[in-house]
Amino acid sequence: GESVGLHLPTLSVQEGDNSIINCAYSNSASDYFIWYKQESGKGPQFIIDIRSNMDKRQGQRVTVLLNKTVKHLSLQIAATQPGDSAVYFCAENSNTGNQFYFGTGTSLTVIP
Amino acid sequence: DTAVSQTPKYLVTQMGNDKSIKCEQNLGHDTMYWYKQDSKKFLKIMFSYNNKELIINETVPNRFSPKSPDKAHLNLHINSLELGDSAVYFCASSSSNQPQHFGDGTRLSIL
Repeated sequence: GESVGLHLPTLSVQEGDNSIINCAYSNSASDYFIWYKQESGKGPQFIIDIRSNMDKRQGQRVTVLLNKTVKHLSLQIAATQPGDSAVYFCAENSNTGNQFYFGTGTSLTVIP
Repeated sequence: DTAVSQTPKYLVTQMGNDKSIKCEQNLGHDTMYWYKQDSKKFLKIMFSYNNKELIINETVPNRFSPKSPDKAHLNLHINSLELGDSAVYFCASSSSNQPQHFGDGTRLSIL
């Protein structure tokens, strides 16, 4: 049904600053995590992933941090650009199945 | 060379009608999915399907049914459309325990 009571968190940053987007998950059995970027009118696109045997993974301008103790995931975007404006989702998956569960999403707006 | 393509992109129809959304993937993935995204951007899994099993989210009304003619296609049939069905529906595919690739969505509006 509808996400009643939930609203889309928003984050506004100046162009060139670093962005940090956070995600909390609840299933301690989750062992694979993905960050997706969704631009207006498009489907979510893969950015970066991390498995539970790691606590940090870096890509081009992006870093994902995983804290399994507190069940927290973050996405850091360096030198944020206007093209980074989008909704960002974290998704979690457990080894027991092939289903991914998505977080609420965070809307990032980059101010030129 | 679109990886996951779904049609139509827009679907406007009357309450009570039956409609289908088609999805095709050319990535050779073994699992396909349907998601519903509401107006608040919340993404909810509806179905996941591979050649071995169909997993249904128990909150999905049985008016919704996935149909897979072959491994590269997973269509979504919706019977007796209701106002609350208005949303964006996304198809996705993946290999086991790998990132999903999404289509660009079908925007369904019920009048």
